[in-house]
Amino acid sequence: DQQVKQNSPSLSVQEGRISILNCDYTNSMFDYFLWYKKYPAEGPTFLISISSIKDKNEDGRFTVFLNKSAKHLSLHIVPSQPGDSAVYFCAASVSNNAGNMLTFGGGTRLMVKP
Amino acid sequence: EAQVTQNPRYLITVTGKKLTVTCSQNMNHEYMSWYRQDPGLGLRQIYYSMNVEVTDKGDVPEGYKVSRKEKRNFPLILESPSPNQTSLYFCASGVWGTDTQYFGPGTRLTVL
Repeated sequence: DQQVKQNSPSLSVQEGRISILNCDYTNSMFDYFLWYKKYPAEGPTFLISISSIKDKNEDGRFTVFLNKSAKHLSLHIVPSQPGDSAVYFCAASVSNNAGNMLTFGGGTRLMVKP
Repeated sequence: EAQVTQNPRYLITVTGKKLTVTCSQNMNHEYMSWYRQDPGLGLRQIYYSMNVEVTDKGDVPEGYKVSRKEKRNFPLILESPSPNQTSLYFCASGVWGTDTQYFGPGTRLTVL
């Protein structure tokens, strides 16, 4: 059973509008969450992260929100740009558990239309 | 340039023919890991290594072996590949105790 789920395999958004990518998790021990972005023919690259002691982290156009009670996190991209078109993976980890083990969701393909 | 490299990038092979996918990083990272990416399943961890000569199984280790004889290299070995190992493989490295990982460009493997 997947502990991290991204229920929307794809999302299409108009340039300039907000993109919201969602992620749910089941393991209450997860206490650190990350978003990775992946372009075709490249490896994933780190985008933004959030610790479970926070409910929001912002970096430029990217904001991650964490709702611990709902075991849900989301990535907001405002404004969306065509260059944001990629597959986005959320990932989660447990501190003090082998240091770096990440559990990934299945990914959401974002398409930003000009 | 700080990077993780993988070779080969593409490989088509036949069932049972042993193969090795190499991974090398130049960032002096202690932690290295192998993942496979399959549609709808995201990235699943195969094996990881916390330092030289220290390796452990991830979520899907069956059919794979690894070794960590040097800090910079972490090869993935398929002793007897099978068609269900057809996948996109990523190597990653990171600083021990942090969660940000740096990924290689991927190796697309097809086992016929």
